[in-house]
Amino acid sequence: DSGVTQTPKHLITATGQRVTLRCSPRSGDLSVYWYQQSLDQGLQFLIQYYNGEERAKGNILERFSAQQFPDLHSELNLSSLELGDSALYFCASSPGAAPNEQFFGPGTRLTVL
Amino acid sequence: AQSVTQLDSHVSVSEGTPVLLRCNYSSSYSPSLFWYVQHPNKGLQLLLKYTSAATLVKGINGFEAEFKKSETSFHLTKPSAHMSDAAEYFCVVSDLSSGSARQLTFGSGTQLTVLP
Repeated sequence: DSGVTQTPKHLITATGQRVTLRCSPRSGDLSVYWYQQSLDQGLQFLIQYYNGEERAKGNILERFSAQQFPDLHSELNLSSLELGDSALYFCASSPGAAPNEQFFGPGTRLTVL
Repeated sequence: AQSVTQLDSHVSVSEGTPVLLRCNYSSSYSPSLFWYVQHPNKGLQLLLKYTSAATLVKGINGFEAEFKKSETSFHLTKPSAHMSDAAEYFCVVSDLSSGSARQLTFGSGTQLTVLP
């Protein structure tokens, strides 16, 4: 158990809808990272927040947004969902700003029908 | 820009025989390199990391990797495979080529099968 929790475990929704994925980092970790894992794209970095501020941005679509709250938990919002957004979404955390060692949550499996 | 290539998408070994998972990287700056493992329906777990200290890095569960700058490689090895090693393995590179903040770039993964 990495200490990173993600909810929900599974999410099934329809195209055009909006969903929110939630992540709680390990106790004491200030950075939260979001990743998307799909069969065709592999594991892709989406975005990093450090102590409430956006730190680094990867291949995140404009339809997706994230934030980190004062208690350090983070939410990833996915809107105008398309079939191609079906994937595993992972959250990871690390103590500092540099991604030297990340601790991954179990993931949220999103299915868009 | 940084990139990482895992040379084998699938590797099969017999239990008790050595494991070699190959990784080549490209980086404009001094990189940090990692190996992560993902068991079925689980998140990723860090096996080991290289951050410009010793070039031979020892990790958990008997795995180790050697950083070879001249070959731009960071291959993962284990002397004797165990059934519990069956999983997907990701080679990861991190440098400053994306700007002031380091980002991780993941390889496409190598699925390791261990045969009894």
